[in-house]
Amino acid sequence: EAQVTQNPRYLITVTGKKLTVTCSQNMNHEYMSWYRQDPGLGLRQIYYSMNVEVTDKGDVPEGYKVSRKEKRNFPLILESPSPNQTSLYFCASSPPAGPPPVFGPGTRLTVL
Amino acid sequence: GQQLNQSPQSMFIQEGEDVSMNCTSSSIFNTWLWYKQDPGEGPVLLIALYKAGELTSNGRLTAQFGITRKDSFLNISASIPSDVGIYFCAGQQRGSGNTGKLIFGQGTTLQVKP
Repeated sequence: EAQVTQNPRYLITVTGKKLTVTCSQNMNHEYMSWYRQDPGLGLRQIYYSMNVEVTDKGDVPEGYKVSRKEKRNFPLILESPSPNQTSLYFCASSPPAGPPPVFGPGTRLTVL
Repeated sequence: GQQLNQSPQSMFIQEGEDVSMNCTSSSIFNTWLWYKQDPGEGPVLLIALYKAGELTSNGRLTAQFGITRKDSFLNISASIPSDVGIYFCAGQQRGSGNTGKLIFGQGTTLQVKP
């Protein structure tokens, strides 16, 4: 089944403790993105990647890092999480000029 | 950054009623998308619109791409309880060299009373 998977689905952590949220897609898509969803704000793009080793900032990149060493994986890294990063995070992937992005199931992160 | 204004923010309707929601933007987009998010899940694409003026249906759902390319609406006819969820509009710039980034509206939360 064509899909985007994320792990973990739920995470509670404390301020300053580094964490990584993984994202993997099995559709051979070039484009991958991370979004965060907050009440009243919709989804906002954090980082995106147009292909392996090509990444760039989205609209809200502060406090996040990403890497794209393989086409299928696009992990989101929080080096020193803070409470304002408590949010619902979505990974998405798409081909460069084809159907719209497919979203993963989401990761709900709480930073205490 | 760019923003889309989506309205209404929430709706509480009776089963069988029709629903209408819309999005407006100060920017032009060449693609408009409508997604639905069920509780605990990621957004799922409902309808994609690629041409100004385009009117597209998907079952009980109908969406239109505004002529000015700055707006879109989504209608749901004869609502049923499983229509409950959050509906998002999203604008996208497509074409060579772009990132395919989506700009999302704030979402419309729909509740349906049986």
